[in-house]
Order: sequence, then structure tokens, then C-alpha cells
Amino acid sequence: GEDVEQSLFLSVREGDSSVINCTYTDSSSTYLYWYKQEPGAGLQLLTYIFSNMDMKQDQRLTVLLNKKDKHLSLRIADTQTGDSAIYFCAERQTGANNLFFGTGTRLTVIP
Amino acid sequence: DVKVTQSSRYLVKRTGEKVFLECVQDMDHENMFWYRQDPGLGLRLIYFSYDVKMKEKGDIPEGYSVSREKKERFSLILESASTNQTSMYLCAIGTNSYEQYFGPGTRLTVT
Repeated sequence: GEDVEQSLFLSVREGDSSVINCTYTDSSSTYLYWYKQEPGAGLQLLTYIFSNMDMKQDQRLTVLLNKKDKHLSLRIADTQTGDSAIYFCAERQTGANNLFFGTGTRLTVIP
Repeated sequence: DVKVTQSSRYLVKRTGEKVFLECVQDMDHENMFWYRQDPGLGLRLIYFSYDVKMKEKGDIPEGYSVSREKKERFSLILESASTNQTSMYLCAIGTNSYEQYFGPGTRLTVT
């Protein structure tokens, strides 16, 4: 199967770290992605990780992959009000062209 | 930077009308995708195309068709729009390095 699950909502205070979690079921996933969607806009690719990696850092963003538990997380350090958006996790399976998306997590940053 | 353009940001159509949504890329990528986005359901793949005149059904193709006559252009067609097709439609292109880039989306309302 290709179920990708995320919690729907997360609230954090400005300046705190945010951790958005995602679980997937297909062990043949090769790439895992995080996208950000601001209100009224399309999806913006934030970062992605190959399945043979367990961590990737890019400025304030840290992606952690636990392949054994099929768990992916996105940590945003020093969260700002501009980080308020919906964050989607997605997976790409071996041999597939398309991505399978989670339901999205709406992050609200409280000033 | 990859640029993906969609023909309309907002569209209102009547039940039974034929609707065309157009997506244009400014690069030479072979893979193009149409998704629809609904609250609580994330993104679901309608159709994708891996070359001119080539197409494959996604998870929810019923009620839709597609056309790819030129490499840069991928059209989604609703032959007879229905109210349950009210949604946000997102076009994406896939690169050779397994990234997908999205257009800004078309919010379609069928009344």
C-alpha cells in the first residue's frame, strides 16, 4: 500500500522548534519529500531525502528518517510566523513516476 | 528555476459544462502530473504523462481526461463538470533528479 499519514494540526510559539511527523507504509519508498503550501498557493518543495540516508540538514530544516519504523520528521528550528503553512510529506516508490502524499499538517505559529 | 504555469487561478463553471485546465512548463521535462487537493485528503493523482501523447491514469481518473500534444503543455479536461469536482487542481512537473515542482493551482468551483 501507499498510505502516508500525518497529524492534521500543530501549533507552536514563535522561536520554538516545530516537529512535523509522517509515517508511511511502503518499504519500497526510495525518496521522501517535504513540501510547504502557503494559503492560496501551490506546493513548494522544501527538501527531500533518499531512503539510504537517515538525516539531512538544510539551514533551519532538519529531516530525520527512521526506515525501520517508516517514520519521517521535519524539524524547523526557531519557528517564525512566516513558517505558518500546510506541510505535506510525500513518498516516491521504486519505479514510480508519481508521488504519494499525506493529508498535510497545518502549522500555526503563535506570536 | 523551473516555472510551471496554470491557465487560471480561479474558475467558476456550471454543472454539465466542459472545462479545460491548462498547464505549461518552461523547460523540457517529460513527466507532467495533474493532482486534485481536497481538505483532509491531501493530494490525489488524477493523470500523468511521461511524454507527448503518452498518459497514464492515476488514482482518481473517473470524470477526467487529459491531452498532451506538445511537450510543454498538459491539459486536464472535465468532459461534463459536476459539483463533486469542485476542488483545487494542481499541476506538477517531474525532473530527472526525482523532484516535482508545482504550479500555483486552479481553484475550480462547479455550481
